[in-house]
Amino acid sequence: SYVVTQPPSVSAAPGKTARITCEGNNIGGKSVHWYQQKPGQAPILIIYYDTDRASGIPERFSGSISEDTATLTISRVEAGDEADYYCQVWESSTDHYIFGPGSSLTVL
Amino acid sequence: QITLKESGPTIVKPTQTLTLTCTFSGFSLHTTSMGVGWLRQPPGKAPEWLALIFWNGDKTYSPSLRTRLSVTNDTSNNQVVLTMTNVDPIDTATYYCAHSSFRLGHSNWFGPWGQGTLVTVSS
Repeated sequence: SYVVTQPPSVSAAPGKTARITCEGNNIGGKSVHWYQQKPGQAPILIIYYDTDRASGIPERFSGSISEDTATLTISRVEAGDEADYYCQVWESSTDHYIFGPGSSLTVL
Repeated sequence: QITLKESGPTIVKPTQTLTLTCTFSGFSLHTTSMGVGWLRQPPGKAPEWLALIFWNGDKTYSPSLRTRLSVTNDTSNNQVVLTMTNVDPIDTATYYCAHSSFRLGHSNWFGPWGQGTLVTVSS
């Protein structure tokens, strides 16, 4: 089955840029969605279809994609951005919606 | 504004059947491209997709859980019901329902999500 990998943890100082990757074989051929989850809360959709920001999401959040890597970029990181971030794709051959293992963002 | 809320038992015994209800508002499952997904998240782990029901009545299930899951739609009450048979302690998780939609020719995304309900499987 299709596997996506994410770094377990990412850190950035306030005001700096954080980049969270999601790797998978030919992931560039799929649609990648990104979710943010703060402790004790439900996940929220932040980026869909690789690059589109969901409603109400600040412009500091952006997505990009290449052949084997999707990247969530958070510019001008704030303390409130501390959360777990998950990528999600759909594997057409098995009709399976797959989440990455998640990356925990720490704001230094 | 789209909202969803899960309801159901907080504790279920092994081998029993779990039934969860998702009550939603702000959209109609009669509308093209709308869907409701069920997902779960064991403590400290990533979300796991379980099932998805589409506006046209089509349903799709996680390959690994397909034989144990069923999802039904009560459009008159804006509710979607998930049934999971033969539960095991490994099924202990927070269960979420989520609005789902898609762009023609592309895959579904999930959002917003309900607040989730923690289900513990224990004797």
